Amino acid sequence: EAGVVQSPRYKIIEKKQPVAFWCNPISGHNTLYWYRQNLGQGPELLIRYENEEAVDDSQLPKDRFSAERLKGVDSTLKIQPAELGDSAVYLCASRSGGGELFFGEGSRLTVL
Amino acid sequence: GENVEQHPSTLSVQEGDSAVIKCTYSDSASNYFPWYKQELGKGPQLIIDIRSNVGEKKDQRIAVTLNKTAKHFSLHITETQPEDSAVYFCAASQTSGTYKYIFGTGTRLKVLA
Repeated sequence: EAGVVQSPRYKIIEKKQPVAFWCNPISGHNTLYWYRQNLGQGPELLIRYENEEAVDDSQLPKDRFSAERLKGVDSTLKIQPAELGDSAVYLCASRSGGGELFFGEGSRLTVL
Repeated sequence: GENVEQHPSTLSVQEGDSAVIKCTYSDSASNYFPWYKQELGKGPQLIIDIRSNVGEKKDQRIAVTLNKTAKHFSLHITETQPEDSAVYFCAASQTSGTYKYIFGTGTRLKVLA
C-alpha cells in the first residue's frame, strides 16, 4: 500500500513569490492534515480536513495561506506571497478511523 | 491553550543503555498519546501509542507509561541500538471527534556505539 505522497520534496524561492505543495493521502483516509514543522520543533497544525470540508483551520494564516481538497482526496497548500519566516518543512498526514497518523516525507521550503 | 511539554531536548546514551523521554500535557480531555520517531529527511512515524484506559504498554524494546492524574507520559527504550538514533515526538489528542494532535517539541536521541 502506498503511503502519503508529497511533492515537491524541496523548494527554494525568493520572498514574495508564490509556492504550492501537493499531498496525496493514503487511499481511503478521509482525514487529512497539513502541519508546519520549524527547525528543531514539533509539527504544528495548519489545517485539518474531513473529506473535502476544512473542519479546523484556526491556525492557518489566512492572509497568505490557502488550502483546498476539492474531491476529498488529494490536497494543495498554497502560500502567496511567501515570507522569510515561512521557511519550514510542510508535512501532510492522513488518518482513517483509528488514531494513527500517517505522515508523508514533507516538503522543505526555503525562502530567500 | 493546549500544550505538550517534552524533556529532555537532547539525550545521549551508550549503546545497550536505556533511554527515557518524558512529556506533560495540559488538556484533561486528552485520551490518546502516540509517540513518533522522525529520522533525518523523513516524516514522523508512529512507534507506539497508549490510550487513557491503560497505564502501560510494551512492544519489544519500547514501552510507554501514562499517569493521567499527573498528566505525564513517558517513553522507555531499553537495550538501545545505533539505529534508535533519531528525533522522538510525543503527542496528545482526543479521540472524540477532533483528533487534534498537539505535539511536543521533540527529543534528539543519540545512541553512541
